[in-house]
Amino acid sequence: DTGVSQDPRHKITKRGQNVTFRCDPISEHNRLYWYRQTLGQGPEFLTYFQNEAQLEKSRLLSDRFSAERPKGSFSTLEIQRTEQGDSAMYLCASSLSGDGRSDTQYFGPGTRLTVL
Amino acid sequence: AQSVTQLDSQVPVFEEAPVELRCNYSSSVSVYLFWYVQYPNQGLQLLLKYLSGSTLVESINGFEAEFNKSQTSFHLRKPSVHISDTAEYFCAVTTKGNTDKLIFGTGTRLQVFP
Repeated sequence: DTGVSQDPRHKITKRGQNVTFRCDPISEHNRLYWYRQTLGQGPEFLTYFQNEAQLEKSRLLSDRFSAERPKGSFSTLEIQRTEQGDSAMYLCASSLSGDGRSDTQYFGPGTRLTVL
Repeated sequence: AQSVTQLDSQVPVFEEAPVELRCNYSSSVSVYLFWYVQYPNQGLQLLLKYLSGSTLVESINGFEAEFNKSQTSFHLRKPSVHISDTAEYFCAVTTKGNTDKLIFGTGTRLQVFP
């Protein structure tokens, strides 16, 4: 168990550019979550996968945002035409859930995005 | 919809003093409650959680929290803090369902002074 990993840890980009982040969950975990954390705020839910299916998206996730989990393992989060308001820490979490139980979400270190 | 309120954005205390970090939640259905800790330059780590059963839950490093349904609270306490407890603490809530997405409070910065 190597924990949840995210790549890159830091990304600086110019407004209007596209960026893609990767999350590798704990290997046997079937659920994967993306959150966004801005300065002085708690993390906010963006989207959720159960295996490869994206089952819920927050209203925070505009059309410029897209997430995939093609084989039910790693996930990518892409932001197109970045805006300065997209600057934030993007967090990935995973959990192993079943039988309606609420299981612990394990968080990665995050990807800090700065849009200039 | 659920929400979480952490009234104290910062809590300064001296080492070995007791501390309480307050958390109140709002929900029309039964909830699960969590405290996560974020040390400087590190990711979020689960500190403790309440799912069911005993309303008093404890962590391995001396923190405890008590679920109070009538007051919709889940305050975090420690009788004697250490310098190493300096961190950001987040209270979170989720409801039993298909998603288990976490709704976080805005966080409380605990600063322990020598």
